[in-house]
Amino acid sequence: DAGITQSPRYKITETGRQVTLMCHQTWSHSYMFWYRQDLGHGLRLIYYSAAADITDKGEVPDGYVVSRSKTENFPLTLESATRSQTSVYFCASTVTSGGNNEQFFGPGTRLTVL
Amino acid sequence: QKEVEQNSGPLSVPEGAIASLNCTYSDRGSQSFFWYRQYSGKSPELIMFIYSNGDKEDGRFTAQLNKASQYVSLLIRDSQPSDSATYLCAVNGGNKLVFGAGTILRVKS
Repeated sequence: DAGITQSPRYKITETGRQVTLMCHQTWSHSYMFWYRQDLGHGLRLIYYSAAADITDKGEVPDGYVVSRSKTENFPLTLESATRSQTSVYFCASTVTSGGNNEQFFGPGTRLTVL
Repeated sequence: QKEVEQNSGPLSVPEGAIASLNCTYSDRGSQSFFWYRQYSGKSPELIMFIYSNGDKEDGRFTAQLNKASQYVSLLIRDSQPSDSATYLCAVNGGNKLVFGAGTILRVKS
């Protein structure tokens, strides 16, 4: 499939479990991003990556881990899920210079932590 | 912390009217400004972007920048019920975007 995809689309887990959200893009975009969206907060950046093996923290990185061994994949891991991490998670990518070009968003993953 | 502020709304306008959406930003050095539309349950999609060198019109949409007052606006002419969505303003902050919380627009037929 062309574009940017996320899996799973929906996930229910329990407090303390490890969860990994997947993001895959077929455009060979350099930059990839993970956001969470909560009511009243808009999109908040968790982590981003400028290229394979280069990642950096965003506004709300605590409790999350990322890796980027391949350009097309950018998984997000919640090492020990908490109820406060219940949210909708969006992955995005852009060709270059993450702040000056359109970001393309994946369909989102709705995560519920019980 | 760079900030982008938007009125959460909802902003209600009748069909055919002009909808005016605004956002303010704190970083005076910001150069790029984006407006995304997000339908309920969907992901954001870009509808307009402008750079600091001027305003932009695209069909029914016009984005305007006021650098002195640090706000950017989006005007939607001839509003349609299909324009009902949340509009997110985003401002560049280095290699990433800073998003506002969004304004809910409701166009009533």
